[in-house]
Amino acid sequence: KAGVTQTPRYLIKTRGQQVTLSCSPISGHRSVSWYQQTPGQGLQFLFEYFSETQRNKGNFPGRFSGRQFSNSRSEMNVSTLELGDSALYLCASSLWWESYNEQFFGPGTRLTVL
Amino acid sequence: KQEVTQIPAALSVPEGENLVLNCSFTDSAIYNLQWFRQDPGKGLTSLLLIQSSQREQTSGRLNASLDKSSGRSTLYIAASQPGDSATYLCAVLSGNTGKLIFGQGTTLQVKP
Repeated sequence: KAGVTQTPRYLIKTRGQQVTLSCSPISGHRSVSWYQQTPGQGLQFLFEYFSETQRNKGNFPGRFSGRQFSNSRSEMNVSTLELGDSALYLCASSLWWESYNEQFFGPGTRLTVL
Repeated sequence: KQEVTQIPAALSVPEGENLVLNCSFTDSAIYNLQWFRQDPGKGLTSLLLIQSSQREQTSGRLNASLDKSSGRSTLYIAASQPGDSATYLCAVLSGNTGKLIFGQGTTLQVKP
């Protein structure tokens, strides 16, 4: 069974640009969550999508947005990039069956903002 | 507000030693607790998940325990190997959402 895939794996952008990251969950998983990982702040929750609906959102500015498609694939977008957006962006998928919710992470997208 | 703390931040042990990593959380109302491993520059690998109704889970040389009342979990690694060197993260799921709250991790080095 294929794991969570994320594309691209690496990105280099300049300040002010925008970027779109993609995440394909494990087949059958309906929940996709996004996290930002930086050396200073650790892993921080961005948002979660379930059946194309944003179910929860972390404490990030509106420049960070996302969506989920009918096939459960998800994208996140960051507009007007800032230097501080440089980070490893991880997505996780889960089956979400009753109370069972083991989350499986992808390899991440390393974003560098110059 | 849920907060997760991991102690120690770093640990260096000789190969073959048994070791314990600690995780504490402030709000005992959790759905589950998950332990992950992260190698440098890579994503997270799920090691063990403990449901809120469970006390422990085992996988190979790994054993994780959960004490909700005291807000603590431990990850026990038996007979450590150099390949176990990585950062270990614990995370709790609070509420019926996909939001995991992570600790800052324990970086483990196992010396040959």
